[in-house]
This record gives sequence, C-alpha cells and structure tokens, in this order.
Amino acid sequence: DGGITQSPKYLFRKEGQNVTLSCEQNLNHDAMYWYRQDPGQGLRLIYYSQIVNDFQKGDIAEGYSVSREKKESFPLTVTSAQKNPTAFYLCASSSGTAGSPLHFGNGTRLTVT
Amino acid sequence: DQQVKQNSPSLSVQEGRISILNCDYTNSMFDYFLWYKKYPAEGPTFLISISSIKDKNEDGRFTVFLNKSAKHLSLHIVPSQPGDSAVYFCAASTIPNYGGSQGNLIFGKGTKLSVKP
Repeated sequence: DGGITQSPKYLFRKEGQNVTLSCEQNLNHDAMYWYRQDPGQGLRLIYYSQIVNDFQKGDIAEGYSVSREKKESFPLTVTSAQKNPTAFYLCASSSGTAGSPLHFGNGTRLTVT
Repeated sequence: DQQVKQNSPSLSVQEGRISILNCDYTNSMFDYFLWYKKYPAEGPTFLISISSIKDKNEDGRFTVFLNKSAKHLSLHIVPSQPGDSAVYFCAASTIPNYGGSQGNLIFGKGTKLSVKP
C-alpha cells in the first residue's frame, strides 16, 4: 500500500533547538515538497525537489533546510533561525508529470515553546 | 497579495442539497486548477482538477466550473453528504512554469464545509 509517511505526528521542542521532520514515500515519485499550514491560512511552499540531490526554495524557505539524498526521503530541518516555527507541516510528492496531483502525508504538528 | 482567494471561510449546507464552493484568482497566467479536501489532522487529498482549455470537469458528485473571463472557479457537490464535511482548498498553477512539477502550486486559504444531517 503506497503512500507518504510523516513522522512523528506531534513534535515538541524548546526554542533555539533545531528539529528534523521526516518524510518518506514509497510511490516512486520523483518530486517531493514541504508545505506549512497555519490556522486560517492556505498551504505555503517551503522547499521542493524535482530529483535526487536537487532542491529549490519555495516562498518561505528562510529558517529551513532540506536534503534529498534518496528518492524516497525528503527530511526538513527547522532551524533556530525560523522566527515562528510552530505550525502544521505537510510533505507531499508527485510523479512530476504535468497535471499529476500532489499526494500528501498526514502532517507533523510542531510546537516550539 | 493573494493570487488565489477563497472569500468564504465557511459554508453550511443541509444533507442532500448542493454545496457550491467558490474560488477567485488574480493571475491570468494560471492554466491549471485543482481542488483538495482536508480533514482535521490529516493531509489534503486531491479531489478534482481542470485545465484552462475546459470550462467544466465532472467526477461523480463533484463538478468544477471554470470562468476564465471572470477569473473564477467553483466546485459543486451534489448531493452533499455528511462525510463531505471538511476544509476545501482551491489551488492554481501556471503550466509554462509547471515543468512537470507542482512546485509553484498556489493555494487559497480554504473553505470549511459543514454538511448537516
């Protein structure tokens, strides 16, 4: 049963600490994405990767970093430089062909205090 | 400046009636539009899409209408069911920049649909 797995579902961290959110997909998709959702807001793109070892900044990349060493994995690190890290983070993937929809994971809710 | 706007934060409909969710956009370069449905604490799931060469696309109870001159699209759900209660996101993309990915997919803020039994 293919899909996208994000772990953990809930994450708590102290301010000033870096934290890495996991995203794994077994859909054999080339493209992967990280979005952030805040209450009452749409999804905003943080980073995306169309192929292994390559990624691009999205609209709100500041304070975040990613890596794409394997096709299946696209971890997101929320650094201490991110001013408002508390949010719901969504990972997605797509086959990369035109018109193919995004498939989302179930998200990680990060709370930083 | 929001390029994709969903001006109704919420909508309440009786079971069996029609639900109409609206979405407006400002960028005339958008060529591809999608609707996603999201339950609380879950990721969005793809519902239906439409490209700018069409004005209507239908899939079961879901129909999306596109009015390019008005830069407006709508999602119709008929008949509405309690299980349709969720947040619905409209999203848009420019195909020339699309490049086979949806990295530039722009989402609206969502409309929360409540279908009452």
